[in-house]
Amino acid sequence: ETGVTQTPRHLVMGMTNKKSLKCEQHLGHNAMYWYKQSAKKPLELMFVYNFKEQTENNSVPSRFSPECPNSSHLFLHLHTLQPEDSALYLCASSQGQGAAGNTIYFGEGSWLTVV
Amino acid sequence: GIQVEQSPPDLILQEGANSTLRCNFSDSVNNLQWFHQNPWGQLINLFYIPSGTKQNGRLSATTVATERYSLLYISSSQTTDSGVYFCAVNFGNEKLTFGTGTRLTIIP
Repeated sequence: ETGVTQTPRHLVMGMTNKKSLKCEQHLGHNAMYWYKQSAKKPLELMFVYNFKEQTENNSVPSRFSPECPNSSHLFLHLHTLQPEDSALYLCASSQGQGAAGNTIYFGEGSWLTVV
Repeated sequence: GIQVEQSPPDLILQEGANSTLRCNFSDSVNNLQWFHQNPWGQLINLFYIPSGTKQNGRLSATTVATERYSLLYISSSQTTDSGVYFCAVNFGNEKLTFGTGTRLTIIP
């Protein structure tokens, strides 16, 4: 238990579906992140939010739409995905963004399969 | 950006063996973390270690910042140690950069 909870843990969706991934952190952190992990690739940072404001969008296609209503919750809205978007999506949080000493904590991940 | 290389990419060991995993990075860092990803995908923090040496039970880590590498030592391996070990680094407010990981398999 890392203090970061993701739901659902597994999701299968069609290319025309709309679904959302949810992340909640109970650590009092101010920064939250979405990462994508595909087979045989390093973790790819997708989005960063710091104090609810998006501070980084790593050239992510618009079919992925993040939402951060408060510092404890982060969503990733999914729409018209492609099969190559199938991956493990990891949410993470840290006290602040980037600075030295900020240990990052990950959720258990959401396994997404697009059919 | 910073380049991170981990070695070896794969390691298969008998239960009870010791292992050393290496992380090389291309530039100065002030944040280095080691993670273990279990077979179900969860990434667990092992160490925050931008420099020096730390120990936690059977695991220890050493970072030599001036020579741009970090080592993770696992002693008396257990099957539950299996998984992928990642190091991740950054400097200042740059984004955390992950290595490609070392996949460790411990055979009973």
